[in-house]
Amino acid sequence: EAQVTQNPRYLITVTGKKLTVTCSQNMNHEYMSWYRQDPGLGLRQIYYSMNVEVTDKGDVPEGYKVSRKEKRNFPLILESPSPNQTSLYFCASSSTGGAQYFGPGTRLLVL
Amino acid sequence: GESVGLHLPTLSVQEGDNSIINCAYSNSASDYFIWYKQESGKGPQFIIDIRSNMDKRQGQRVTVLLNKTVKHLSLQIAATQPGDSAVYFCAENRGTYKYIFGTGTRLKVLA
Repeated sequence: EAQVTQNPRYLITVTGKKLTVTCSQNMNHEYMSWYRQDPGLGLRQIYYSMNVEVTDKGDVPEGYKVSRKEKRNFPLILESPSPNQTSLYFCASSSTGGAQYFGPGTRLLVL
Repeated sequence: GESVGLHLPTLSVQEGDNSIINCAYSNSASDYFIWYKQESGKGPQFIIDIRSNMDKRQGQRVTVLLNKTVKHLSLQIAATQPGDSAVYFCAENRGTYKYIFGTGTRLKVLA
């Protein structure tokens, strides 16, 4: 089954404790992207990747890092999480950079 | 920054009627638009897309209309069903791999 998987699905952490949210797709897509979703603000793009080792900033990259060492994986790293990064995070992938397949989401709470 | 906006946050429609969800975009250079559906607790799901060289595109029970003159996009859902209840987002691509999403419209289908 074609899918985008994210782990963990739910995470509670404390300020400053580094964390990684993994994202994996099994569709051999070149394009992958991370979004955060907050009430009243919709989806905002954090980072995206056009291919292995090629990444670029979206609209809200501050406080986040990404890496694309393999085509199928695109982890999101929060080096020092802060409460304003409490949000619902979505990973997505696409074969062409067009219509994207989204993962189920990761709900993060930073205390 | 610029954002894709929506006219109505909530739309209530009688089952069987047609639904029209609107979206205004601000960047006339945008050349690709996508509509997504997000059900409660799930990631967004692709519905239909349209490129700027088209005015209309039809799918199964859905039609997207693009008016470049007034920078307006709409999603029409024919014979709305209870399963159509969700939040609908439009997304705008500005010729790069960056996407700007609207804040969403909640569609409620009344029995």
